[in-house]
Amino acid sequence: EPEVTQTPSHQVTQMGQEVILRCVPISNHLYFYWYRQILGQKVEFLVSFYNNEISEKSEIFDDQFSVERPDGSNFTLKIRSTKLEDSAMYFCASSPLGTENTGELFFGEGSRLTVL
Amino acid sequence: GDSVTQMEGPVTLSEEAFLTINCTYTATGYPSLFWYVQYPGEGLQLLLKATKADDKGSNKGFEATYRKETTSFHLEKGSVQVSDSAVYFCALSDTGRRALTFGSGTRLQVQP
Repeated sequence: EPEVTQTPSHQVTQMGQEVILRCVPISNHLYFYWYRQILGQKVEFLVSFYNNEISEKSEIFDDQFSVERPDGSNFTLKIRSTKLEDSAMYFCASSPLGTENTGELFFGEGSRLTVL
Repeated sequence: GDSVTQMEGPVTLSEEAFLTINCTYTATGYPSLFWYVQYPGEGLQLLLKATKADDKGSNKGFEATYRKETTSFHLEKGSVQVSDSAVYFCALSDTGRRALTFGSGTRLQVQP
């Protein structure tokens, strides 16, 4: 069964360093998303991406974040200068083209980011 | 803005017990409602959904009914199994949006 894969599963970094989290969405999906979950808190929407551009982003997704689909298969989240509060589990998701509000997103297992 | 509130866990039950996990929501439009489940070591998976008032979503013995009058979408199962142990997330997507708004998740532990 096709699945969304994420790498790395866990990354430890120093405050101020750049981090890139990678995702390989399901191959025929066209919408891509990043969510995050700070330990003990809600899963929060960061950004959605369609047709090589951001289609929606939350207030959390400020200038230190960026997303890219560099090669038609990977979907990356870059955090330019990490802060302690960026420590969280980051989930990538994808969904096929379809009607809005279907809500059926396919999630990866997550990448845990620890900022020291 | 949109929000989802679900009961805090962990919820610990014995096998074959009845399960209810409460979920209420606020939304500006006419949302679709979802339950996602996360088994240990895996990503979130869609468990069931309902797209309009009075719809009942069901899957794997789990059910939830979209109650507009009480803005609720409570998850129920008549007889839980050890294999149901997981974290359950209630979520909504509001009119015209693909982004999901999640609750904080409820951990369910089922003991044999």
